[in-house]
Amino acid sequence: GAVVSQHPSWVICKSGTSVKIECRSLDFQATTMFWYRQFPKQSLMLMATSNEGSKATYEQGVEKDKFLINHASLTLSTLTVTSAHPEDSSFYICSARDQGRETQYFGPGTRLLVL
Amino acid sequence: AQKVTQAQTEISVVEKEDVTLDCVYETRDTTYYLFWYKQPPSGELVFLIRRNSFDEQNEISGRYSWNFQKSTSSFNFTITASQVVDSAVYFCALSAYSSGSARQLTFGSGTQLTVLP
Repeated sequence: GAVVSQHPSWVICKSGTSVKIECRSLDFQATTMFWYRQFPKQSLMLMATSNEGSKATYEQGVEKDKFLINHASLTLSTLTVTSAHPEDSSFYICSARDQGRETQYFGPGTRLLVL
Repeated sequence: AQKVTQAQTEISVVEKEDVTLDCVYETRDTTYYLFWYKQPPSGELVFLIRRNSFDEQNEISGRYSWNFQKSTSSFNFTITASQVVDSAVYFCALSAYSSGSARQLTFGSGTQLTVLP
């Protein structure tokens, strides 16, 4: 299957700092990437859809000024959690859509802990 | 709107038993895709299968098999001779043309499978 990388895999930071997470599709071009958040023992919650060269589309209830998304190339999308607080602690997962195969492939996820 | 239901929250089996994970979906679209993903304890979602709405053939891949029945809107997943390494959360998901050009996925709530040695 296709490969999607995500870095970093673990982040521990102090409250008030900003954290950037990168998502890369390694063997295909992705005009569309997605960012999800997952709480323990729950399903994935879509946060936003990231489109290359245009603004991201955020789901209802997701603060776009809090979670900045940039999709500057066909293989890279970034999620920046600005002024992180303990309630932002979670597992963040990105995916990249392989248009030819009509399939989303997922990165390994980033565990964020805000102290 | 789309909906995916995985009624089994947790299943526990003993190694070598067969196990079936149920998935029922709702959509008004005639063209859609169904997926199964595996999420082991490490957290990464691993793609297992994609099936489009026009292809009702069942599929077998090693110990895995999938049964797609449009008449009952179900896409069930069977693991034959389960192994401890099969322990994971399994998600069923759907994307439809009415989801928009981005083809967002609608996920079920997941089934935690535990295979005991």
